[in-house]
Amino acid sequence: DGGITQSPKYLFRKEGQNVTLSCEQNLNHDAMYWYRQDPGQGLRLIYYSQIVNDFQKGDIAEGYSVSREKKESFPLTVTSAQKNPTAFYLCASTLRGTSGANVLTFGAGSRLTVL
Amino acid sequence: GQNIDQPTEMTATEGAIVQINCTYQTSGFNGLFWYQQHAGEAPTFLSYNVLDGLEEKGRFSSFLSRSKGYSYLLLKELQMKDSASYLCAVIDSNYQLIWGAGTKLIIKP
Repeated sequence: DGGITQSPKYLFRKEGQNVTLSCEQNLNHDAMYWYRQDPGQGLRLIYYSQIVNDFQKGDIAEGYSVSREKKESFPLTVTSAQKNPTAFYLCASTLRGTSGANVLTFGAGSRLTVL
Repeated sequence: GQNIDQPTEMTATEGAIVQINCTYQTSGFNGLFWYQQHAGEAPTFLSYNVLDGLEEKGRFSSFLSRSKGYSYLLLKELQMKDSASYLCAVIDSNYQLIWGAGTKLIIKP
């Protein structure tokens, strides 16, 4: 079955450490996205990529980095510069970019907790 | 600024009908989505509205009034598995998605 796989599902990090969240899709979708979900708030866009080797900052990119070396993969690194990284992170994809009514397909999420 | 308002939490009874409202103030409008998200899981697509009126899809229907900046999701014949959060999201004039905080729906037997 086609879908998006995120790993790990749960991750604990000490302050000052960088961590990388994996996101892989086999849907042959062009565009991929990273969102952060916090209690009582709407999803917030961190980064997105519409094609391989290109990505754009979202609304809250500070303290995060991404790469898009392959169409299928869009890993997110949470750096030590992110002041409040404890959150639920969702990876998503769409067949094409953000124009139009593109339905997002989401991964199951990664919950990061900073100790 | 851009804003989407949804009730934080609602409670309903199994077998009943519930309406979840979403009001929005955004810079432009190019469509509205509803997604369902069970706790700790991925959001899944429920509906999309771009024109005024009601879109029906089985037990779920979604309504849009662009002039009022208002949408609702109607769930009929509620089942326990409908206990989830329901997320409203609007596509603004720049084709960016603006998300509401979600409505947690609790279904009681």
